[in-house]
Formats: sequence, structure tokens, C-alpha cells
Amino acid sequence: NAGVTQTPKFQVLKTGQSMTLQCAQDMNHNSMYWYRQDPGMGLRLIYYSASEGTTDKGEVPNGYNVSRLNKREFSLRLESAAPSQTSVYFCASSATDYSNQPQHFGDGTRLSIL
Amino acid sequence: AQTVTQSQPEMSVQEAETVTLSCTYDTSESDYYLFWYKQPPSRQMILVIRQEAYKQQNATENRFSVNFQKAAKSFSLKISDSQLGDAAMYFCAYRSRSGGSNYKLTFGKGTLLTVNP
Repeated sequence: NAGVTQTPKFQVLKTGQSMTLQCAQDMNHNSMYWYRQDPGMGLRLIYYSASEGTTDKGEVPNGYNVSRLNKREFSLRLESAAPSQTSVYFCASSATDYSNQPQHFGDGTRLSIL
Repeated sequence: AQTVTQSQPEMSVQEAETVTLSCTYDTSESDYYLFWYKQPPSRQMILVIRQEAYKQQNATENRFSVNFQKAAKSFSLKISDSQLGDAAMYFCAYRSRSGGSNYKLTFGKGTLLTVNP
């Protein structure tokens, strides 16, 4: 039972390079999310998708784009990576975005930008 | 906007003893959800316990229980009979129930729990 799968787990980029982080869930969830985790900051929402075909900005969307490819997949793209985007990125999903159903998280992607 | 505050950056507890992690939040809403997540060194985010604001009864999951004080906007986590495997970063989180753009999960900055043998 895979749950939420993120790829890759680790990545090193140079400033200015682009990259797409992939996320897929197999729980038939409607809602998906991208967070970043920085030391001492907790998790902050970058973008979310309440349902297939919709995406919305979260707390820290600048420098990122997302695509809800289908119900299972939600990707995060860095068009021109900057050192300030060095972080651990988590994808999550939930049955809906308005219930007490918890968000299920992937194992995270550690991204370093030099 | 809602904010979640965890005032204890680090806590420690002896194995088999009890520890309480604090969480306060700021909101003008009357209906919402609260969660505690655990993040061990493996980096996974694991749901520990959840509470609906409209329920007066405190949630309990085995050795984990909460003290939910709605008027005080406080949501503390009590871990009884602490085990070495409880060592982790613990995050308190808030989620609106009223819809719109407030569906997002707002996290506190976390409390790092060390369990001493």
C-alpha cells in the first residue's frame, strides 16, 4: 500500500536550473498539497489542488508552478531554481479539503540549490 | 489568518514517564479541526491524533491524549508511558472547517521531543 509517493528523494541543482518534483497518490483522494519545510519554520503550504482541474496558491507560492495532471498526480515545478528554495518538500493528499480527514504525506524530497 | 504557536522548541522525558507538549492557536472561527503530527528522523509525517472543535470530549489514541480548551484556544498533547520510539519532532496543526481558501493546514513550528532511556 504505497500511499503518497514522491520522486526524487534527493536532488542537487545549480542556481537557474529547472526541475519538476513528482507526486502520486493511490488512495483515490480528491485533494493534494505541496509544502516546504525549513528549519525552525514548520511546514508552509506552497500550492494546493482541492480537486482535479483546480489549483490555488498557498502561503509561499512565488517561484513555483504546479500541475494537477490527473486525480492521482500533482507536480511541482521550479522554473529557475534559487538558493532560497533549498528545502525539504512534502506532497500530501486528503480525501477532501474540507473535512476532518487527515492529510497523508509522502516521504519528502530534500532539494539543495547551489 | 490563523496562527499556531508551539512555545516549547525542545522537550525531554524519561522513558516510561509522561510529557505534555503545548500548542495554542489564534482564530476567529468557531468550527475547525486540530491535529498533532509526529515526524521521526525518517522524515515521515505521521498523524498522531485529531480533534474536532465542536466535540467537547478530548480525543485519545492509546498512550496519546489531548487537552482541548476551546475558550483558551489551547490544544496540548499528553504522551503517557513514553517510549524511545516516541522521540520525534511534533507538529500541531489547525484546519478551518468553513471553506473558501481556508482549507489549508496551518502548522506550528514544532517541538523536538527527546526520550531518555
